[in-house]
Amino acid sequence: DSGVTQTPKHLITATGQRVTLRCSPRSGDLSVYWYQQSLDQGLQFLIQYYNGEERAKGNILERFSAQQFPDLHSELNLSSLELGDSALYFCASSPRGRVNEQFFGPGTRLTVL
Amino acid sequence: QKEVEQDPGPLSVPEGAIVSLNCTYSNSAFQYFMWYRQYSRKGPELLMYTYSSGNKEDGRFTAQVDKSSKYISLFIRDSQPSDSATYLCAMSDNNAGNMLTFGGGTRLMVKP
Repeated sequence: DSGVTQTPKHLITATGQRVTLRCSPRSGDLSVYWYQQSLDQGLQFLIQYYNGEERAKGNILERFSAQQFPDLHSELNLSSLELGDSALYFCASSPRGRVNEQFFGPGTRLTVL
Repeated sequence: QKEVEQDPGPLSVPEGAIVSLNCTYSNSAFQYFMWYRQYSRKGPELLMYTYSSGNKEDGRFTAQVDKSSKYISLFIRDSQPSDSATYLCAMSDNNAGNMLTFGGGTRLMVKP
């Protein structure tokens, strides 16, 4: 158990819908990262937050957005969902001063029908 | 061509064998190198973390980084069936905001 929690574990929804994925980082970690894992693209970085502020962005679609709240939990919002958005979404967090040591949560499996 | 290349396998070995897993990369700015283990439908688990070139050992695991060749390796000694998983290499360059760039993963099967 990495100490990073994610909810829900599974999510099944329809095309065009909007969903919110939630992540709580390890105690004391200020950085939160979101990654998408699909069979064809592998594990890809989406976005990073540090203490409430956006720090880095990867190939995140405009339909996707994220935020980090004052209690440091983070949410990833996915809207206008398409079949191709079906994937595993992971959240990770890293300790202060060791930002490349990222600890991953168990993931949310999103299925878009 | 992907920035980080990894043979997808599967790699099948008998229990007790020494396993060698490798990644090559093209971005010379990468300075931090990680190995993750991922069991089916689970989150990646950080196994090894190294900075720049050299070796690092932790129990049955040894990570090697050769920046001149842009090549990293993970060795697993005395492999066990419980080591059966997908192994992902990951790299980062601090100038890129701490994002990790992953290889596609190598699936390892250790047979009893």
